[in-house]
Amino acid sequence: QQQVKQSPQSLIVQKGGISIINCAYENTAFDYFPWYQQFPGKGPALLIAIRPDVSEKKEGRFTISFNKSAKQFSLHIMDSQPGDSATYFCAAKVPRGGSEKLVFGKGTKLTVNP
Amino acid sequence: EPEVTQTPSHQVTQMGQEVILRCVPISNHLYFYWYRQILGQKVEFLVSFYNNEISEKSEIFDDQFSVERPDGSNFTLKIRSTKLEDSAMYFCASSETRDTQYFGPGTRLTVL
Repeated sequence: QQQVKQSPQSLIVQKGGISIINCAYENTAFDYFPWYQQFPGKGPALLIAIRPDVSEKKEGRFTISFNKSAKQFSLHIMDSQPGDSATYFCAAKVPRGGSEKLVFGKGTKLTVNP
Repeated sequence: EPEVTQTPSHQVTQMGQEVILRCVPISNHLYFYWYRQILGQKVEFLVSFYNNEISEKSEIFDDQFSVERPDGSNFTLKIRSTKLEDSAMYFCASSETRDTQYFGPGTRLTVL
């Protein structure tokens, strides 16, 4: 119940293309859904986050789409650049009253070819 | 911009030895976490800490693990008797609001 399923495992996109990463969850009590970007040897860096009462959030080239009824959310990277090449993790937060811990997906390794 | 810092960046130890991983959370944050990431795998929750006590711990966080906030700035993770399977990246995270968690750069622990 506290799993987040992420796909695809890896993704190769040409420069300028759109990268799309999908996540699905079961626990409807999750109340916050962040995306993290991780470069090799570094810690996860918060990219963008959304709450379940919002269907879409955009920050620059990054957009989260959230479908509460389907229990799915996705990250769209517009005009993908070689510098976007990294591993992306979706996550979901256990709600207040608990530990507020994050449950992570398995990650998507994105490669943007020049 | 404030950030979470962790020391050391890499720790090599012999099986059975004790290690202490150190973290300095962002100064006005009150919620602290440790996560770990085995090479190539997802990030896994270990423990959360608030108001000088553990809020929740995962099944990974057994009696060999402990956390402490020894002063107003540091947050430590101690592994009493390391095992080969403890080899991983350990990330400290902190949060002001209990929503957004900011991660440190990690400590790579290698148990030989």
